[in-house]
Amino acid sequence: AQKVTQAQTEISVVEKEDVTLDCVYETRDTTYYLFWYKQPPSGELVFLIRRNSFDEQNEISGRYSWNFQKSTSSFNFTITASQVVDSAVYFCALSEEALGGSQGNLIFGKGTKLSVKP
Amino acid sequence: SQTIHQWPATLVQPVGSPLSLECTVEGTSNPNLYWYRQAAGRGLQLLFYSVGIGQISSEVPQNLSASRPQDRQFILSSKKLLLSDSGFYLCASRRDRGYEQYFGPGTRLTVT
Repeated sequence: AQKVTQAQTEISVVEKEDVTLDCVYETRDTTYYLFWYKQPPSGELVFLIRRNSFDEQNEISGRYSWNFQKSTSSFNFTITASQVVDSAVYFCALSEEALGGSQGNLIFGKGTKLSVKP
Repeated sequence: SQTIHQWPATLVQPVGSPLSLECTVEGTSNPNLYWYRQAAGRGLQLLFYSVGIGQISSEVPQNLSASRPQDRQFILSSKKLLLSDSGFYLCASRRDRGYEQYFGPGTRLTVT
């Protein structure tokens, strides 16, 4: 069965600290996709990144970086030099390759609330 | 790129009243469309998804229903709201042959 676990319910850091948000997933498929979304206080979910199961390269985008390790079924997200604007709830999600790829339903973790204090 | 519109932004309705939330998508054709609900302080629950006009799949049996009368229009309805229907409703779109879902701004529903 598909499952996404974000064990950290809430994290609080001081501005400029680095912070890592953990995500562990379970799937029986060999082809799957992993995502991170950000939900600021306004409520809209903002897509951050997608990773395919066959591509284990880590990715960096500015202060954001993602570490994908199939051996530990983890897809962790690190924010370097955090800022107050990073305060949000962050969701990790999994999508398996459905029949014909026609569904693409996402399985979300429960989210990690990040508070960055000045 | 896709733009997802939702309205209304906020809604306060009494128990037993009907509900209609609308979602429209711009910038893509034949998208997969989704309705999610997020209760206060909780994760996202998939309610319905649609792969085409008139095609609706329900993930959670309840007093809500969904319809897709046009390619880029997705409607969430209820004939009689319950207190437990309160929450934040998000519409999402995934373009044909795409992978990630893009979300609208959401509707905050309070049932009193």
